[in-house]
Amino acid sequence: IQLTQSPSFLSASVGDRVTITCRASQGISSYLAWYQQKPGKAPKLLIYAASTLQSGVPARFSGSGSGTEFTLTISSLQSEDFATYYCQQLNSYPYSFGQGTKLEIK
Amino acid sequence: EVQLVESGGGLVQPGGSLRLSCAASGFTFSTYSMNWVRQAPGKGLEWVSYISSGSSTIFYADSVKGRFTISRDNAKNSLYLQMNSLRAEDTAVYYCTRRSTEGFDYWGQGTLVTVSS
Repeated sequence: IQLTQSPSFLSASVGDRVTITCRASQGISSYLAWYQQKPGKAPKLLIYAASTLQSGVPARFSGSGSGTEFTLTISSLQSEDFATYYCQQLNSYPYSFGQGTKLEIK
Repeated sequence: EVQLVESGGGLVQPGGSLRLSCAASGFTFSTYSMNWVRQAPGKGLEWVSYISSGSSTIFYADSVKGRFTISRDNAKNSLYLQMNSLRAEDTAVYYCTRRSTEGFDYWGQGTLVTVSS
């Protein structure tokens, strides 16, 4: 199953609302997770089951979608949110990742 | 506190072998399936291999099938990745990750494998 994220790069300002899209090459129900990765660090699980916030993740993060199209939304960007974001399908192995979306400060 | 600590990375020549280890603590290791995920320099995440809690089910990415072997020792709370016939394209940071019902909820800090002559 191939995952395609868009955009690959996103430039935004603190306080902006941003949305990242992840499209699957075939239906994966709600078996989708989102991760945040900062330079030199391991990825961090943000959202699982497409829309459930992992414990400790700020409520400004939200996820939606099912089937083949999913979105990650950050309602009001904070400085600590500038990072690279990956989606991952957990419907079936191999548990593929999207190519990543790098969120940069404008 | 859940901790995953990888070790065993380093510089190896093409065609060589390396064994990665991941020491787990802070949770009941024997009840969780585990995975290896890698990230080439400046690139995205690539899932590498999966092993079920009791080692009965194992999967590999096509890119490493036949060359890499995943294993675990539940008595030692440890996960392993034996990597043979290494290629330049295997150069990456290798992460040990725990698979929960939520997803890959805990990750180690990663260990760098460099394949170069």
